[in-house]
Amino acid sequence: EAGVAQSPRYKIIEKRQSVAFWCNPISGHATLYWYQQILGQGPKLLIQFQNNGVVDDSQLPKDRFSAERLKGVDSTLKIQPAKLEDSAVYLCASKAGRGNEQYFGPGTRLTVT
Amino acid sequence: GENVEQHPSTLSVQEGDSAVIKCTYSDSASNYFPWYKQELGKRPQLIIDIRSNVGEKKDQRIAVTLNKTAKHFSLHITETQPEDSAVYFCAASLALQGAQKLVFGQGTRLTINP
Repeated sequence: EAGVAQSPRYKIIEKRQSVAFWCNPISGHATLYWYQQILGQGPKLLIQFQNNGVVDDSQLPKDRFSAERLKGVDSTLKIQPAKLEDSAVYLCASKAGRGNEQYFGPGTRLTVT
Repeated sequence: GENVEQHPSTLSVQEGDSAVIKCTYSDSASNYFPWYKQELGKRPQLIIDIRSNVGEKKDQRIAVTLNKTAKHFSLHITETQPEDSAVYFCAASLALQGAQKLVFGQGTRLTINP
């Protein structure tokens, strides 16, 4: 079984620029999550999708962050404009319907200078 | 909302000794408690989990205990080996009909000294 795929793996941008991350979950997984992991901290949930609908985006800074999962499979997370404090690893995870385990992708390490 | 506190933040043990990491949670409705291991530069991976209707679960050298009354749960690793060195995260969630929102602790960096 192929795992969760993410790209790019690394990205360096200047503050006020825009950036987008892509995630391809495990085939058949209905639930998709985006987490932000700041160095030295645990992952923090940004947004959760069930198929192509948003279940929880209460911690997503909606003035600058947006995410979509148009066909209920792949997802993109966008930051516009980026701030220095957005430097972090952005992890995507997916979960099967009634399963418990979340499977994480390798993450995208974002550095904002 | 849920809040998870994890201690200690760093832990160093001799190879072969046991390691214990503790977490507390705030929402008594939480019913699912996974532990993830994250090696440097790699993705978090589930190593063991427990549901609230169980007090203890064991898988070879690792075990998790849950005290619902006190709202705390712990990870126990016995006979530690160098490959156990990593950052460990606990999490808590209210899991209902497939929906699940994990709240993670701050992590414990475990170092196994040979």
